[in-house]
Amino acid sequence: KQEVTQIPAALSVPEGENLVLNCSFTDSAIYNLQWFRQDPGKGLTSLLLIQSSQREQTSGRLNASLDKSSGRSTLYIAASQPGDSATYLCAVDTGFQKLVFGTGTRLLVSP
Amino acid sequence: ETGVTQSPTHLIKTRGQQVTLRCSSQSGHNTVSWYQQALGQGPQFIFQYYREEENGRGNFPPRFSGLQFPNYSSELNVNALELDDSALYLCASSFLNDRSSGNTIYFGEGSWLTVV
Repeated sequence: KQEVTQIPAALSVPEGENLVLNCSFTDSAIYNLQWFRQDPGKGLTSLLLIQSSQREQTSGRLNASLDKSSGRSTLYIAASQPGDSATYLCAVDTGFQKLVFGTGTRLLVSP
Repeated sequence: ETGVTQSPTHLIKTRGQQVTLRCSSQSGHNTVSWYQQALGQGPQFIFQYYREEENGRGNFPPRFSGLQFPNYSSELNVNALELDDSALYLCASSFLNDRSSGNTIYFGEGSWLTVV
């Protein structure tokens, strides 16, 4: 059974810091991995999708890496801003777009 | 704006009642999945519909059921509501170009269900 773990559970940083969010999964047989953002009480917004054959994806200040063999992914956020405050969820696609999610990292960026 | 809309946004039901949640997917998307997200947890996969047929189910009892319609809308029905059913229910819409992988998945804002 696929299990996804995210560390840390919560993170508080001052504005401008670079930060790394970690995601690990137990079964390397995945089709892709996605990182999502969730604002309080809201739905999920897809940030980055990494196919299983890829090593990383970049979008603006966000960079996500994938090491399928070790079951790890990281989301790097450069020059954090207060607007980045949200919960970040990683999810692995186990096939047919059935996603297994981690419990998320709650990020607070202070001005 | 993901193009996926859900209704209602909030509702309160009594234990034992039945509820229907609705989702309108993006035009052209052939796949819809439903997830349950309890407070402080990640979403849990309930089931998926692909071209109007159920295409997989998570660890949820049969009182959770669904439908997908040709007009890109879908429903999640829950019978005999229990207190633990209180959660955010998320609809996810996508296009599967084969049955094993797909493109970006778009989520709706969710329906908050409270069972008292």
